[in-house]
Amino acid sequence: AQSVTQLGSHVSVSEGALVLLRCNYSSSVPPYLFWYVQYPNQGLQLLLKYTTGATLVKGINGFEAEFKKSETSFHLTKPSAHMSDAAEYFCAVSDNYKLSFGAGTTVTVRA
Amino acid sequence: GAVVSQHPSRVICKSGTSVKIECRSLDFQATTMFWYRQFPKQSLMLMATSNEGSKATYEQGVEKDKFLINHASLTLSTLTVTSAHPEDSSFYICSAMTGGTDTQYFGPGTRLTVL
Repeated sequence: AQSVTQLGSHVSVSEGALVLLRCNYSSSVPPYLFWYVQYPNQGLQLLLKYTTGATLVKGINGFEAEFKKSETSFHLTKPSAHMSDAAEYFCAVSDNYKLSFGAGTTVTVRA
Repeated sequence: GAVVSQHPSRVICKSGTSVKIECRSLDFQATTMFWYRQFPKQSLMLMATSNEGSKATYEQGVEKDKFLINHASLTLSTLTVTSAHPEDSSFYICSAMTGGTDTQYFGPGTRLTVL
């Protein structure tokens, strides 16, 4: 069965600083990997996804993630944090179209 | 594109009553819809998968007689929480996926509070 581990339940960054959210996965088959963002009391919005092909994936709002098979990782980064990036971020792996989510990482951005 | 709506966004009900939550794909046909439950400060837990015109597949530990799911059309799935109790209070989120793709599009969620 597929699973995801997000390292760090809370990340605090200064506005303009690098955002790095860590995600490691476990999968018995080539994984489909996703990052979603959730704002308070809202559903999830897709940031980006990896299925096949290029291992560096660019998403919305300046986020990108790199699939590293050797490290079983799919870390999410953004070069310069904005106040609007404050939210909950979930990494997920797909198993026959079912998503298994990590526990989530809360991002706060300091002015 | 790929917009999913849920109704209601928030509902409060008395213990023992039933509550229906609707999930609609507004601009695409959803061959598969998923229902998740999210407790405060926690991740999403998949409850069930529904395919249009067939019975839903429930995850282990989810009571199918308590959480009734209907996916009668390609744009609508409903979740009915029957005989609700306070422990059913949660944030319920649906997602929809169209055939041939691997991406789920999520609704805004429904906050259920059972008194």
